Amino acid sequence: GAVVSQHPSWVICKSGTSVKIECRSLDFQATTMFWYRQFPKQSLMLMATSNEGSKATYEQGVEKDKFLINHASLTLSTLTVTSAHPEDSSFYICSAHDPRGPYEQYFGPGTRLTVT
Amino acid sequence: DAKTTQPTSMDCAEGRAANLPCNHSTISGNEYVYWYRQIHSQGPQYIIHGLKNNETNEMASLIITEDRKSSTLILPHATLRDTAVYYCIVRVGGGTSYGKLTFGQGTILTVHP
Repeated sequence: GAVVSQHPSWVICKSGTSVKIECRSLDFQATTMFWYRQFPKQSLMLMATSNEGSKATYEQGVEKDKFLINHASLTLSTLTVTSAHPEDSSFYICSAHDPRGPYEQYFGPGTRLTVT
Repeated sequence: DAKTTQPTSMDCAEGRAANLPCNHSTISGNEYVYWYRQIHSQGPQYIIHGLKNNETNEMASLIITEDRKSSTLILPHATLRDTAVYYCIVRVGGGTSYGKLTFGQGTILTVHP
């Protein structure tokens, strides 16, 4: 199946700093990628839909100025957590749709963010 | 997208079949049933999906009732590596919600020796 990578796999940052997480589709081009957040013992929550060459669509309650998404190419989307705070500590997961497949959405391995 | 109901947790003996049920009584005619699983601290993994016919692949089988109000994911010979949270998701294929997945709480499947 299609492969999606994320970098870094984990990151620790200080409160008030910004952190960038990359999501790459390795063997296919993805016009649409998705960003999810998962808190401990909870399910995945969709944060935003990232479309190549256009602005991201954010879910209700997600601050677009805090979670900046850029989808500059067909294989790369980035999520920047700006002015991170401890409550932003979470597991961030991206996914991408492989247009060659029958509606399959492939997920990255996730990035564990800890804000101290 | 239609809401799904799954048991919170299930146990299964290694080597036996694991049957995971899912209720989706409000499913619409153009909505597919998808199954994903998430092993601890990893991203979700696609397992299988179907519209109304039963489906089988190398990982699992999906049995959808004739009225499409419920389905069962079958792992024919569960192994310890199948221990994970299994998510049943109902979603429209195509249109403006194309690709968008809404995760519920899922079923925690524990496979024991």
